Amino acid sequence: AQSVTQPDIHITVSEGASLELRCNYSYGATPYLFWYVQSPGQGLQLLLKYFSGDTLVQGIKGFEAEFKRSQSSFNLRKPSVHWSDAAEYFCAVGAENLFFGTGTRLTVIP
Amino acid sequence: KAGVTQTPRYLIKTRGQQVTLSCSPISGHRSVSWYQQTPGQGLQFLFEYFSETQRNKGNFPGRFSGRQFSNSRSEMNVSTLELGDSALYLCASSLVPGLENIQYFGAGTRLSVL
Repeated sequence: AQSVTQPDIHITVSEGASLELRCNYSYGATPYLFWYVQSPGQGLQLLLKYFSGDTLVQGIKGFEAEFKRSQSSFNLRKPSVHWSDAAEYFCAVGAENLFFGTGTRLTVIP
Repeated sequence: KAGVTQTPRYLIKTRGQQVTLSCSPISGHRSVSWYQQTPGQGLQFLFEYFSETQRNKGNFPGRFSGRQFSNSRSEMNVSTLELGDSALYLCASSLVPGLENIQYFGAGTRLSVL
């Protein structure tokens, strides 16, 4: 069965600090991998995606993610967090339709 | 160009009623997917429509249904509402089906069932 695990429900970081959000998945084969961000009262915005090829992918807003097949992980990183990054982040995987993790809420301290 | 538009943004219904939500995809997009977001279950796939046909369906009861019109606009209907149907319902559109085609999400319709 497919599943996506985001082990951190809530993360608090200081502005300017680095960030890593974890995502592990269970899927029959290597699926497409995505990270989305959701601000309060808003829909989901795609940050980045991995289909194949280079396992380090760059996204919008300075985010990047690394696919590690051996660990079934797709962790999201940002070297320096901005206050505007405070939001909820969802990892998603799939081949036909998306399976989402439960999300990680990011709080940024000034 | 305009993004995915969902109407209404907020809705309050009572148990037993039915509700219809609307989604207008980005111009030129022909695939529409629906998702339910709740605090307890998170984001779950409901169904996907393409060319007025349902392509995929998630694990939801038959009370949840949808349709797509020739202009690609989509509606979803929930009959005999239950308290547990209270959720944010998100619609996403893409050019054609397949996750290699990026899905763009609307802001959602927040349904409250009293």
